[in-house]
Amino acid sequence: GAGVSQSPRYKVAKRGQDVALRCDPISGHVSLFWYQQALGQGPEFLTYFQNEAQLDKSGLPSDRFFAERPEGSVSTLKIQRTQQEDSAVYLCASSLSEGLNNEQFFGPGTRLTVL
Amino acid sequence: RKEVEQDPGPFNVPEGATVAFNCTYSNSASQSFFWYRQDCRKEPKLLMSVYSSGNEDGRFTAQLNRASQYISLLIRDSKLSDSATYLCVVRGNTGKLIFGQGTTLQVKP
Repeated sequence: GAGVSQSPRYKVAKRGQDVALRCDPISGHVSLFWYQQALGQGPEFLTYFQNEAQLDKSGLPSDRFFAERPEGSVSTLKIQRTQQEDSAVYLCASSLSEGLNNEQFFGPGTRLTVL
Repeated sequence: RKEVEQDPGPFNVPEGATVAFNCTYSNSASQSFFWYRQDCRKEPKLLMSVYSSGNEDGRFTAQLNRASQYISLLIRDSKLSDSATYLCVVRGNTGKLIFGQGTTLQVKP
C-alpha cells in the first residue's frame, strides 16, 4: 500500500528564498510529525499534529519555520528567508492514532540545499 | 548534553562477526525505546522495540537497563546487508521520537 510521500524530493534554494515542503501521510493516520536531519546526525523533532491541531511545535528552530495541516491530512512545512544552516533533510512521519505506542512511518524526505 | 547519546563509529566488521552497539539516555522518566535502521540516503525504518526484559528478533537482540539508562543492540552473524546506520531512539512526550546521532556499521566480505 501507499506509504508516506513527500515532495519535492530535492529542493535547492538561494539564501533568503521561501520554501514549502509537502507531506502526504498514510491515509487515515491521525498523527503527523516533522523532523529535521542534518548531515551525519540523527533526525531532530520539529513539530507534531494530531489531525489538524498542532499540539507541539517546540522543536521549530526559529519563527522562520511554520507548519500547517488545515484539513488533518496533507501537511506543509514552510521556511521563510532560508539560511544556509537550514540545509538538511526534512522528514515527515505519520502514525495511526494519537496513542503513544503507535509506530511512526517515515517518508523519503525532502533534501533542502540552501546556497 | 544530548538526550540520547551513541558512539557514531564507524564499526567495520567482517561477515559473520558479532557486533554490539550501545546508547545512553538522560530522561529517567522515558518509557519507550527503539532501534531504527537507516540506509544511506533513505528514511529511518523501525528495526525493533526494546523491552525491559530484553527481546530478540532473529539475529538481533535488544536490551534495556533502566537503572543505568542504557540500551544495547547485538547483531550476531553479520551479513553484508546489515551495513547501515543504527539509530537509538527514545519516545518523548506527545509521542515525538528523540534520536541519537546514529552508529554506522560496515560489514565487509
